[in-house]
Amino acid sequence: AQSVTQPDIHITVSEGASLELRCNYSYGATPYLFWYVQSPGQGLQLLLKYFSGDTLVQGIKGFEAEFKRSQSSFNLRKPSVHWSDAAEYFCATRNTGFQKLVFGTGTRLLVSP
Amino acid sequence: SQTIHQWPATLVQPVGSPLSLECTVEGTSNPNLYWYRQAAGRGLQLLFYSVGIGQISSEVPQNLSASRPQDRQFILSSKKLLLSDSGFYLCAWSVDYGYTFGSGTRLTVV
Repeated sequence: AQSVTQPDIHITVSEGASLELRCNYSYGATPYLFWYVQSPGQGLQLLLKYFSGDTLVQGIKGFEAEFKRSQSSFNLRKPSVHWSDAAEYFCATRNTGFQKLVFGTGTRLLVSP
Repeated sequence: SQTIHQWPATLVQPVGSPLSLECTVEGTSNPNLYWYRQAAGRGLQLLFYSVGIGQISSEVPQNLSASRPQDRQFILSSKKLLLSDSGFYLCAWSVDYGYTFGSGTRLTVV
């Protein structure tokens, strides 16, 4: 079954610095991949998604992600982090048997002044 | 526009009491509906999903049940809550490849 792994539980980044959150997927064919963000006590907001085509995907709030088949990765990036980006970030993949999302365990982003 | 409503936002219930969480979707027809749970410090676990009225699939055995009495209504229930049922419950819907999540219900069982 498809799965995604987020190896970093917590990441701290200084405000204004660049950010990269890691996500590795497990699936032989091209997976459907998503990045969501969750602010404390809130639901999930879709940042971006990848199904096919251009491997560099642009999302909302200045985020982008790059699909790399050779590395089985779909890392999320942002060139300059703002304090409001502090949240939990989830990578997810869609199970091909049914349209259900399978999530990674999440990475909590802390932004230091 | 397509929206999803989930309530209540916060709920504190004693052990052994019943539970009913409701989720409704607007602006779409025949969506796939999902209930996820997020326990403290853990990721999101799919509990139930539904492809149509009265069609419910359970992902994990547990103390909860789900029902879909109408096309755009999804209900999560329990007859007797356990302490381990505490968590953040999220409803979601999808049509084609898009997934939209509700704002969640924080359930604390005391």
